[in-house]
Amino acid sequence: DAKTTQPPSMDCAEGRAANLPCNHSTISGNEYVYWYRQIHSQGPQYIIHGLKNNETNEMASLIITEDRKSSTLILPHATLRDTAVYYCIVPLIQGAQKLVFGQGTRLTINP
Amino acid sequence: GAVVSQHPSWVICKSGTSVKIECRSLDFQATTMFWYRQFPKQSLMLMATSNEGSKATYEQGVEKDKFLINHASLTLSTLTVTSAHPEDSSFYICSARDPHSYEQYFGPGTRLTVT
Repeated sequence: DAKTTQPPSMDCAEGRAANLPCNHSTISGNEYVYWYRQIHSQGPQYIIHGLKNNETNEMASLIITEDRKSSTLILPHATLRDTAVYYCIVPLIQGAQKLVFGQGTRLTINP
Repeated sequence: GAVVSQHPSWVICKSGTSVKIECRSLDFQATTMFWYRQFPKQSLMLMATSNEGSKATYEQGVEKDKFLINHASLTLSTLTVTSAHPEDSSFYICSARDPHSYEQYFGPGTRLTVT
């Protein structure tokens, strides 16, 4: 599976947009990029996923570069409840499509 | 999103005893479920893939005889930690894969403390 690289931590002011980067330079043409987040002591929560086009849902937007080697998760108006660890994952496309979690980015939203 | 439940949410047991954790998919029938373990301040580590009606597939380094997985129905997978030791104390999380969308939905986790 494609390895992903994320900054270990980021801070963002409440109400501002939080932009979380992820590098996945070894991604192959038919592999998706998934984003999950984990709030302390809870199970991970699905946020969004994409292949090559930018995606938006009620939680966030996902911007994928044209070469697909990196992506950015955007939380448009961050709130204190968005404080969590955010994981960028490229699952294996064969077999069980396992999700392998890296260290993620610990995002802290400050009041 | 779909709901996956785990039971119990937390459990304390004595060394040498066995503990069973249940993972239920409430909104869809899941032929594939996954079990993860998470130690404090660390990321989730995939332990095994649970396949309905067949044996689980364990990740390298995970003892299959210690962590027994049973996926007897399309909505239930169980993880039994046998002969638990204090080092097995951890946060155990399951996920279920929707066979139609292939999305994975996670349970709320079970915190196991072995004394």
